[in-house]
Amino acid sequence: QVQLVESGGGVVQPGGSLRLSCTASGFTFDIYGMHWVRQAPGKGLQWVAVIWYDGGKHYEDSVKGRFTISRDNSKNTLFLQMNSLTAEDTAVYFCARDVLDMATIADAFNIWGQGTMVTVSS
Amino acid sequence: AIQLTQTPSSLSASVGDRVTITCRASQDIRSALAWYQQKPGEPPKLLIYDTSSLQSGVPSRFSGSESGTDFTLTVSSLQPEDFATYYCQQFNSYPLTFGGGTKVEIK
Repeated sequence: QVQLVESGGGVVQPGGSLRLSCTASGFTFDIYGMHWVRQAPGKGLQWVAVIWYDGGKHYEDSVKGRFTISRDNSKNTLFLQMNSLTAEDTAVYFCARDVLDMATIADAFNIWGQGTMVTVSS
Repeated sequence: AIQLTQTPSSLSASVGDRVTITCRASQDIRSALAWYQQKPGEPPKLLIYDTSSLQSGVPSRFSGSESGTDFTLTVSSLQPEDFATYYCQQFNSYPLTFGGGTKVEIK
């Protein structure tokens, strides 16, 4: 079935780094835009970044220069490299698939993973 | 960034009630709006995309509409499984943004 599974979360000290992965199955991964969305404990949703099927990328302002989104289509995997982490980055990180295929403009997110928790704390 | 203001932030309702949630955009988003439902410990679930298109598999009691920069999610007859938090999201321009959420609780 269509599925996204995140991994790589954990506890990291302020200023540290973490790399999240999202493995896709059940659909043709390389034709879809893929997003990262995060949710701080007890808070709402915040979009983080997108990578389009052609490799184009966009980021939320607070993570620009610190986070890098990438993909390995041969492994059906999405990544989020997170550097210079602060307490404000503590959240559950979800990967999500865009509705449209072969597109470089955003639409809604119709497939979501279960999320992976990132805690930034000393 | 485009701000999405959801009202109310929470509401109490009974099974069978008609429930309306509003999402106001800070500027024109050209109908590029989606609605999601999230239950505790679960990822969001897409309900409505492009303002009023029902996602496959979503019950027809859910509907979406717009009037200018005001967008509305309506549940025509609330069911027990509908008690959850609802979010709007705009995808007209970067950064993509979500509303603050509306928690629908049992009265």
